[in-house]
Amino acid sequence: EPEVTQTPSHQVTQMGQEVILRCVPISNHLYFYWYRQILGQKVEFLVSFYNNEISEKSEIFDDQFSVERPDGSNFTLKIRSTKLEDSAMYFCASHISSSGNTIYFGEGSWLTVV
Amino acid sequence: GDSVTQMEGPVTLSEEAFLTINCTYTATGYPSLFWYVQYPGEGLQLLLKATKADDKGSNKGFEATYRKETTSFHLEKGSVQVSDSAVYFCALSRSSNTGKLIFGQGTTLQVKP
Repeated sequence: EPEVTQTPSHQVTQMGQEVILRCVPISNHLYFYWYRQILGQKVEFLVSFYNNEISEKSEIFDDQFSVERPDGSNFTLKIRSTKLEDSAMYFCASHISSSGNTIYFGEGSWLTVV
Repeated sequence: GDSVTQMEGPVTLSEEAFLTINCTYTATGYPSLFWYVQYPGEGLQLLLKATKADDKGSNKGFEATYRKETTSFHLEKGSVQVSDSAVYFCALSRSSNTGKLIFGQGTTLQVKP
């Protein structure tokens, strides 16, 4: 069974610090996503990425956030200056763009900002 | 905007009981509908999906029918097992080709032996 892997599984950071969350999507997938889930709230779409550029982003995804696919395998989410309200579980997802395809999610990275 | 509403949890059942988790949606057009499951310590996994009205998705004994007239996609299972204990998420997308999903808040299911 193919899988999306995420690191770290849990990170604690000081407010104002930069954080990079890493994801290795499934190797032949073309579309990549980040979602987040604040404790007790819904899973929310952050951003989609295709062909080395952002294809869509939510209003949550402000200038503090950026995504990158630096080496053709990793897909990263950077938060430049973390705030307390960034504490959440961040999920990476990927899929091949074809009719009826399945979106695969990683296990999530739990970020705690203190 | 588009939204998904699920029944509040947690839902606690005894083994072999019948399960229903309600899900209703608000969306323009004809969205695709999904149920995802998250087992403890794991990521979100697609459980089943339906891409058009009256379609029934099914997997592992779970099923859900896309009801456009009631804008619902309720999850059902005839006989739950302890191993079904997990968080269940209803979600929609504007197209079956997109990974942009709008999720409900999730419903925790606890099955006791």
